[in-house]
Amino acid sequence: QSALTQPASVSGSPGQSITISCTGTSSDVGSYNLVSWYQQLPGKAPKLMIYEGTKRPSGVSNRFSGSRSANTASLTISGLQAEDEADYYCSSYAGLSTFVVFGGGTKLTVL
Amino acid sequence: EVQLLESGGGLVQPGGSLRLSCAASGFTFSSYAMSWVRQAPGKGLEWVSVISGSGGTTYYADSVKGRFTISRDNSKNTLYLQMNSLRAEDTAVYYCAKARGYSGYDPSSYSFDYWGQGTLVTVSS
Repeated sequence: QSALTQPASVSGSPGQSITISCTGTSSDVGSYNLVSWYQQLPGKAPKLMIYEGTKRPSGVSNRFSGSRSANTASLTISGLQAEDEADYYCSSYAGLSTFVVFGGGTKLTVL
Repeated sequence: EVQLLESGGGLVQPGGSLRLSCAASGFTFSSYAMSWVRQAPGKGLEWVSVISGSGGTTYYADSVKGRFTISRDNSKNTLYLQMNSLRAEDTAVYYCAKARGYSGYDPSSYSFDYWGQGTLVTVSS
């Protein structure tokens, strides 16, 4: 069982917006605004999409945005495109004993 | 262009050992912490270990503590993972990942901006 809880799957039609939630505890997501989001295309390595909760690395589309409220972080993808179909994982810094925890992943299907 | 290339995976019997390598290029290797992250077949991501840019600080997940050893050779721009006493539950694709920070104390060292393509480790008799 993963430390962070994500929905197993979400879906949306092209052009729509979807949100993926990532629920942790006061020991990780709730204590640190240090959530990262990764996109993993089938058979590929993960790719960093969001870090420090809301920041996008250079080259990542501004259709991807992150937010946090209490113990839950969220990834929103707007203007959904077929190429966004992938697995998405959240992670959070969790202090100097646990270090980092991941969510179980969410499969995004573009209808 | 940042590149990370893992090698050393394969089939090993329970109780056996294996050493993974990750050759890095395209950035100043010694300026960043590095981690190993694994993914069991059909499962999610699991952080395994981190090493600081200097190599002086290392941390491990409880699941591998005492069995795995992370190290780096900054003169060769290479990261290693020595895996001993392997178990069936260690079967996974192992990714090396470049951290955004330098030290193991820096929270940004647990956010990974570049990943290798992974190397598969299978523990089975």
